[in-house]
Amino acid sequence: QKEVEQDPGPLSVPEGAIVSLNCTYSNSAFQYFMWYRQYSRKGPELLMYTYSSGNKEDGRFTAQVDKSSKYISLFIRDSQPSDSATYLCAMSFLQGAQKLVFGQGTRLTINP
Amino acid sequence: SAVISQKPSRDICQRGTSLTIQCQVDSQVTMMFWYRQQPGQSLTLIATANQGSEATYESGFVIDKFPISRPNLTFSTLTVSNMSPEDSSIYLCSVDTRDRGVFFGQGTRLTVV
Repeated sequence: QKEVEQDPGPLSVPEGAIVSLNCTYSNSAFQYFMWYRQYSRKGPELLMYTYSSGNKEDGRFTAQVDKSSKYISLFIRDSQPSDSATYLCAMSFLQGAQKLVFGQGTRLTINP
Repeated sequence: SAVISQKPSRDICQRGTSLTIQCQVDSQVTMMFWYRQQPGQSLTLIATANQGSEATYESGFVIDKFPISRPNLTFSTLTVSNMSPEDSSIYLCSVDTRDRGVFFGQGTRLTVV
């Protein structure tokens, strides 16, 4: 079993839809959770960075962490064609000087 | 956020040769990390580079194949040695800014022919 599971998709939705991306993990010691967006031929871009359980909102993006279920989500509201990319979840045990464990990545396409 | 510059952005190399990738950060950081992303795959950590000490390598990666330098708090290099087509990947450096998260460079796309 992988430490972090993420449905690779592909996921295709119409413009304006709410997108839900999810990851599950097996190790309850993970404390820090991140979502990255990666466009083709580019490096990952940090979208959201959260610690422990709860919600965090930034513009059209909302990150949720449920540590009791070992489940994290990223919601994208009012999705735009420019949101089409691969979305990667990542997590670590401690802050600083710790490697990230990544999910497989979900390829998302927003159709105009 | 941290601004990370990687060079080269891409290269095509002959098998058996070596390529050195440079990573420059706009602020001083304790740890820098080198990842590999094989085609269609997620990211895998190669090694952690701490200034003034030997890099720490993950299982499956060795210093002879991926030597790393970390001469100061803003710069690191990764060398891919004696390359084979299986080394064709994107190589990424990253830094952990602690309370602001982990940031990545734009990557070096390596093709070995």
